[in-house]
Amino acid sequence: SQQGEEDPQALSIQEGENATMNCSYKTSINNLQWYRQNSGRGLVHLILIRSNEREKHSGRLRVTLDTSKKSSSLLITASRAADTASYFCATDNTDKLIFGTGTRLQVFP
Amino acid sequence: DGGITQSPKYLFRKEGQNVTLSCEQNLNHDAMYWYRQDPGQGLRLIYYSQIVNDFQKGDIAEGYSVSREKKESFPLTVTSAQKNPTAFYLCASSIIIFDEQFFGPGTRLTVL
Repeated sequence: SQQGEEDPQALSIQEGENATMNCSYKTSINNLQWYRQNSGRGLVHLILIRSNEREKHSGRLRVTLDTSKKSSSLLITASRAADTASYFCATDNTDKLIFGTGTRLQVFP
Repeated sequence: DGGITQSPKYLFRKEGQNVTLSCEQNLNHDAMYWYRQDPGQGLRLIYYSQIVNDFQKGDIAEGYSVSREKKESFPLTVTSAQKNPTAFYLCASSIIIFDEQFFGPGTRLTVL
């Protein structure tokens, strides 16, 4: 069953612009995680935000969590061509981690 | 150099054959996982293991089997019972179950 769903499915921006991706989920969670995947590679963990946290920063990444709306957003500031990848949210659902279908981000130089 | 490795990177299988995908980690993590990823899709959990000699089915375990005889190793066997095995397979590990996961580079399996 699909727990996290990302929006938009695809996003194209110019270098230097900000990129915002959203994730919505259905049931209550303990934590929400964001991962990045370059084409044909494994996933890389970006950030984990717990249900009692509202915002978290890591370098150029900013993640927010709104448990009342069951949604999270990932903001990448001052994007670079190297940020081109797919980004997935994952929510823990008691006995598993459920991944969304991802947002494909293309950053043009 | 700590990390998680998967082999082979590419694997071709004839219909009716069983194949085993390797996953090794030297991160001293207790939990390990196998996921399947189809084109344009998210990851689906096949099996996971919280500790040595214990493993649990995920959402799509049918046609797959695993073992966890050593902490470092969590091999996945794709059996002939798996109807559509062509996919990208990802192994992961974590310190705490379902917390931050570290992924291997993946194995792309193609059935000929």
